[in-house]
Amino acid sequence: AQTVTQSQPEMSVQEAETVTLSCTYDTSESDYYLFWYKQPPSRQMILVIRQEAYKQQNATENRFSVNFQKAAKSFSLKISDSQLGDAAMYFCAYAGGGADGLTFGKGTHLIIQP
Amino acid sequence: DGGITQSPKYLFRKEGQNVTLSCEQNLNHDAMYWYRQDPGQGLRLIYYSQIVNDFQKGDIAEGYSVSREKKESFPLTVTSAQKNPTAFYLCASKRGLGGQETQYFGPGTRLLVL
Repeated sequence: AQTVTQSQPEMSVQEAETVTLSCTYDTSESDYYLFWYKQPPSRQMILVIRQEAYKQQNATENRFSVNFQKAAKSFSLKISDSQLGDAAMYFCAYAGGGADGLTFGKGTHLIIQP
Repeated sequence: DGGITQSPKYLFRKEGQNVTLSCEQNLNHDAMYWYRQDPGQGLRLIYYSQIVNDFQKGDIAEGYSVSREKKESFPLTVTSAQKNPTAFYLCASKRGLGGQETQYFGPGTRLLVL
């Protein structure tokens, strides 16, 4: 079975600074996909960024980028120029090659200090 | 507007009572999912369905049942056999059956036991 581990229950960053959230996973599959979801206080789950395991290039979406280290099974999220609206729970998630559901980590609570 | 709707937003269950949570999508997505979220935890998969009239158990299916009579609808029933039903329930869907497809989430239902 796949597992996803987020070792930072809470992180704090000053507004406009950069923060990195960590995620490691364990799998024996070769075909898989990784996601970061954001859950603000409204509790709506919002996709932040995704990465295909077969792609060597790290995914980027505006201020959000990932550092995907396949051999180390690591998938960290970097948020540049942090904004107050970035404050939320961030969940790392894993999907295998089929239609099975996502496997989630326990989340990191990100606090933005003004 | 296209999207995923869940109702009700809040639901109260009495001891020994079955309750049903609604999930509807108008995105023409093939696969649908139910997740449970407990405080301080990530999401855990309850059931999923890839096609009408077919569904599979997830990691924590005991005490729950589902149906998929229409492509757009995937209701979840929390039965009296579920001894600890208090949680936040999230429904999700995705377009295809491959792992590369992104799951999109509804706004959730908060279930409380009286």
